[in-house]
Amino acid sequence: GESVGLHLPTLSVQEGDNSIINCAYSNSASDYFIWYKQESGKGPQFIIDIRSNMDKRQGQRVTVLLNKTVKHLSLQIAATQPGDSAVYFCAERAAGNKLTFGGGTRVLVKP
Amino acid sequence: SAVISQKPSRDICQRGTSLTIQCQVDSQVTMMFWYRQQPGQSLTLIATANQGSEATYESGFVIDKFPISRPNLTFSTLTVSNMSPEDSSIYLCSATDVGDTEAFFGQGTRLTVV
Repeated sequence: GESVGLHLPTLSVQEGDNSIINCAYSNSASDYFIWYKQESGKGPQFIIDIRSNMDKRQGQRVTVLLNKTVKHLSLQIAATQPGDSAVYFCAERAAGNKLTFGGGTRVLVKP
Repeated sequence: SAVISQKPSRDICQRGTSLTIQCQVDSQVTMMFWYRQQPGQSLTLIATANQGSEATYESGFVIDKFPISRPNLTFSTLTVSNMSPEDSSIYLCSATDVGDTEAFFGQGTRLTVV
C-alpha cells in the first residue's frame, strides 16, 4: 500500500510512447535542478540533474530541459516502460545542498 | 553511492507519545537531512543534521518538536515528540556530500498517529 502520489496530477502514457513531465521552479539562485523517481514504498531515487548554466542534458532514455527565462524544467522519457510507473519530482538545489521539491507527477504506463 | 537504512520502516503510535527514527548510512557522508512527506504530497525539508552540533531547522519546524541527533558521519536520529494525528506522515532521511547533486534517500518511515 502507498499514499505517495494519491493526490498528485497523473500522466497516463501508453507503453512505448514518450513521456514529458513538467515542473515550474521558483528560486533563480538554485545552481542545480534534479529529477527524482519515487516508487511505492521507497524513497526518491536520483534520475538526472542539470546545472543552471545548461539548457539540455541527456541520459539513458531521459532528457532534461531547462528554460530559465520562464523557470521551467521538463523531463522526457523515451519509449516509456512499465517500470517507469512512479511519482516523479523535480527539485532545485540551493545553498547547503538543501533540496526544494516540486509538487510531483504520477506516471502510469498502460500496457 | 550510499545505502541508507531507516528504522523503523513503519509504526503506529498513540497521540502524546514520541518516536525516534534512526538513519544509518553505509559510508561517511558530509551532509544528512530529514524530510517529511505527507500523504499524497511532495517532500518538505525539516532540518539539516549537523555532525557534532545542533541541527539547522527550516521554517515551521522546531527543535522541541523534532529533536535531531548526529553523533558521527554515518548516523542520525529524528524524534517526533508529543505526537498528534497531524504528524502522520512519511519521514525520510537523506545523505549527500558537499558538491554532489545526487542525494540518497532511505526508504522512509511511515508513521501513523492514532
